[in-house]
Amino acid sequence: GESVGLHLPTLSVQEGDNSIINCAYSNSASDYFIWYKQESGKGPQFIIDIRSNMDKRQGQRVTVLLNKTVKHLSLQIAATQPGDSAVYFCAENVSGGYNKLIFGAGTRLAVHP
Amino acid sequence: SAVISQKPSRDICQRGTSLTIQCQVDSQVTMMFWYRQQPGQSLTLIATANQGSEATYESGFVIDKFPISRPNLTFSTLTVSNMSPEDSSIYLCSVEEDTYEQYFGPGTRLTVT
Repeated sequence: GESVGLHLPTLSVQEGDNSIINCAYSNSASDYFIWYKQESGKGPQFIIDIRSNMDKRQGQRVTVLLNKTVKHLSLQIAATQPGDSAVYFCAENVSGGYNKLIFGAGTRLAVHP
Repeated sequence: SAVISQKPSRDICQRGTSLTIQCQVDSQVTMMFWYRQQPGQSLTLIATANQGSEATYESGFVIDKFPISRPNLTFSTLTVSNMSPEDSSIYLCSVEEDTYEQYFGPGTRLTVT
């Protein structure tokens, strides 16, 4: 198998529970944030994004919360399924100049039946 | 979102040699990016490649080691030159669609022996 996520913090949840993955971002000037899901052997998959003028955005089974005061981002996954098992990365776009995403360290989500 | 393909999907190369990785997109995009993902790690931006201009490299990456071409709006290549085992990584290309939204290819898994 692939080595993605071997050394990353792991969140273990039971199937059907809700998952919360947290991310602290680095730059107070960041104006856009993305959550990616990376399964073993694949490239990162875009899940949901949020702009800095919002504090919450919902998608299908996922919600992203943004707290600019403490530079914190979270991804909530409702009714977690085995197919949600993957490594999750947050990424921030630093405004000014050209577009550039800075990725967080990542969290491995392990869903147990 | 755009469909992105990369060639090769994986390769095993000897130290001192070079490998060129191709990234093909099924639609025209202005901005393309190349990332490196070392084993068990997050993604690090190597360079931004815009059609018709020189690639912009991030700190720690130089053109002599990672030359990039961007001949048109649907294609780019990244060459990893004079490889050493430390270059063993997953190399990913991404494209920007709507403002700031980046989508990734499947990656090229490189092992240098």
